[in-house]
Parts: sequence; C-alpha cells; structure tokens
Amino acid sequence: AQSVAQPEDQVNVAEGNPLTVKCTYSVSGNPYLFWYVQYPNRGLQFLLKYITGDNLVKGSYGFEAEFNKSQTSFHLKKPSALVSDSALYFCAVKTGRRALTFGSGTRLQVQP
Amino acid sequence: NAGVTQTPKFQVLKTGQSMTLQCAQDMNHEYMSWYRQDPGMGLRLIHYSVGAGITDQGEVPNGYNVSRSTTEDFPLRLLSAAPSQTSVYFCASSYGTVGGRNTEAFFGQGTRLTVV
Repeated sequence: AQSVAQPEDQVNVAEGNPLTVKCTYSVSGNPYLFWYVQYPNRGLQFLLKYITGDNLVKGSYGFEAEFNKSQTSFHLKKPSALVSDSALYFCAVKTGRRALTFGSGTRLQVQP
Repeated sequence: NAGVTQTPKFQVLKTGQSMTLQCAQDMNHEYMSWYRQDPGMGLRLIHYSVGAGITDQGEVPNGYNVSRSTTEDFPLRLLSAAPSQTSVYFCASSYGTVGGRNTEAFFGQGTRLTVV
C-alpha cells in the first residue's frame, strides 16, 4: 500500500518570506514523489519530482523539495514567496506500476 | 498538441441517470487514470489503466465503469448517478516509465458533476 500525509490544511506566509509545505509518505519499496499545484477552477500542474539521485530537487517557478528517506518526507520549499504562489498544493507518491496516490492538499496563502 | 482533454466541463444529472465522462490524450501515454476531488479529501483514484485493454480498480471504484479500447481514450461511465457522486472529476495520463524511471502525470481541466 502507499499513502501520503499533508499535515497542514493551510499555510500562511508573508510575501518575500521562505515557505515550506510539508509532506510525508508511506510505501513498500522505492518511492517516486511528486508535487502538483492547482489554481482555482483549473487542473493540476506538475511542479517537480524525485525519482532517484540528489535529495534536493529543483522544479518550476523557483520551487524545490528535499527528499529525506529516514524521515519519509518530501517537503516543498521556496526561498521567497510570491502572492501569485497562492494556490492548492498536492504531494503524491507512486511505486512500480501503480497510479499516483495523493495527499489531501495544503492551501498556501501568501499575504502581500 | 492538446494534451489531456476532458468533456464535458460541467454536467448536472438527476439521480439514477447514467452518463459517460470522456477523456482523450494525444501524447501516446500508456497510463491513464480517473480521480475525483472532494473538499478536504484530495484526489482519490477511481480506476486506472496501464495500457489498452488493461484496467484496474482504485480506491473508490463503486458506481463507475471504465474501458480502454484504444491508447488515446479512457471514458468513465456512471451507471446510475447518486448525489454522493457529486464531485470534480480529473483524468490524467503519463508514460508510466521511461528508462525504468516513473514519469509525471498530465491532468485534464476537470469535469464538475452535480447529481440532484
């Protein structure tokens, strides 16, 4: 079985400050981890993925995520938040030939 | 290159009616999936397919049928709509693996379904 937990329903941060959106996972075997973003009334857009290799993964729009195998985490980070980053963020995990399993989502609110 | 196309974008059904949500992709992706999105519950997997002629159940398959007769299309059928099926439905597709590595999924824009 595979599962993802996003412990925060909402994260509030001031524009220009660093942001972190948390994600932990549970799988049997090697995980493939993804972050997606959803803007209102839109589909999900891919941000970044961890497959193998460097634990720090860089993605679109200045976002990055750190894979931590011992803590089974894959937190999303950005050094300086923008108001336009306000959206719903989903962490997802996949193993082998299974489909993606998503977390419940975290709403990021960046205040001007 | 249209990506993943879902139709319709909006639909209202009466309880007991049946309908098919269409999903098509033009990227020659092996994997296709259907998810439903409900507030506070993220995206839950309904059915998925790893190739033409192959389908499997996800987390919440009851009340839904799928088939995959071609690589491009993966329709989702609601057999007898119920108010509990009111949701936003997303179709996704991906290559599955490239060079042994899993690839990201591409999503359609969603179908907002209301069952009254």
